[in-house]
Amino acid sequence: EAGVAQSPRYKIIEKRQSVAFWCNPISGHATLYWYQQILGQGPKLLIQFQNNGVVDDSQLPKDRFSAERLKGVDSTLKIQPAKLEDSAVYLCASSFLGLAKNIQYFGAGTRLSVL
Amino acid sequence: ELKVEQNPLFLSMQEGKNYTIYCNYSTTSDRLYWYRQDPGKSLESLFVLLSNGAVKQEGRLMASLDTKARLSTLHITAAVHDLSATYFCAVDSRNRDDKIIFGKGTRLHILP
Repeated sequence: EAGVAQSPRYKIIEKRQSVAFWCNPISGHATLYWYQQILGQGPKLLIQFQNNGVVDDSQLPKDRFSAERLKGVDSTLKIQPAKLEDSAVYLCASSFLGLAKNIQYFGAGTRLSVL
Repeated sequence: ELKVEQNPLFLSMQEGKNYTIYCNYSTTSDRLYWYRQDPGKSLESLFVLLSNGAVKQEGRLMASLDTKARLSTLHITAAVHDLSATYFCAVDSRNRDDKIIFGKGTRLHILP
């Protein structure tokens, strides 16, 4: 079974530039999550989708971050414009809706450096 | 607001020793997760604990949950170097006002 795919693996940009990350969840997983993990900290949930609808985006800085999951499969997370404090690893995860365990499977992440 | 606290945050121990990582959380929870993260890698699910008194074991790791005390423990038995990693607990209360919250992680370094 293929895992959660993310690209790119690494990205270096200057502040005020824009960047986009892509995620392809495990086939059949209705729920998709984007997390921000700053070095030395635990992942922080940015946005949660169920199919193509947003379940929770309360911690997403909406003035600069946006995310979409138009067809309920792939998702993109965009930052525009980037700030220095956005330097982090952006993790995508997916889970199968309807199971009590709700285990999240994580992708390898995109490491963003904002200079 | 749901808060998750882990301790210790850093742990250096000798091979062969036993130790316990603690995870406290602030509100009622339906599910508690333990994840492992190796340096530069993503998170790998270890255990899911769903009910009071739940105990799960895999190799040298054993996780337990006390929902009344709002406490989960991850116990390491006879540690080996391969267990060196960062361990996270995460809590999901299923409350619409809450979200899945991760602890800060425990960075475990096992000395050969």
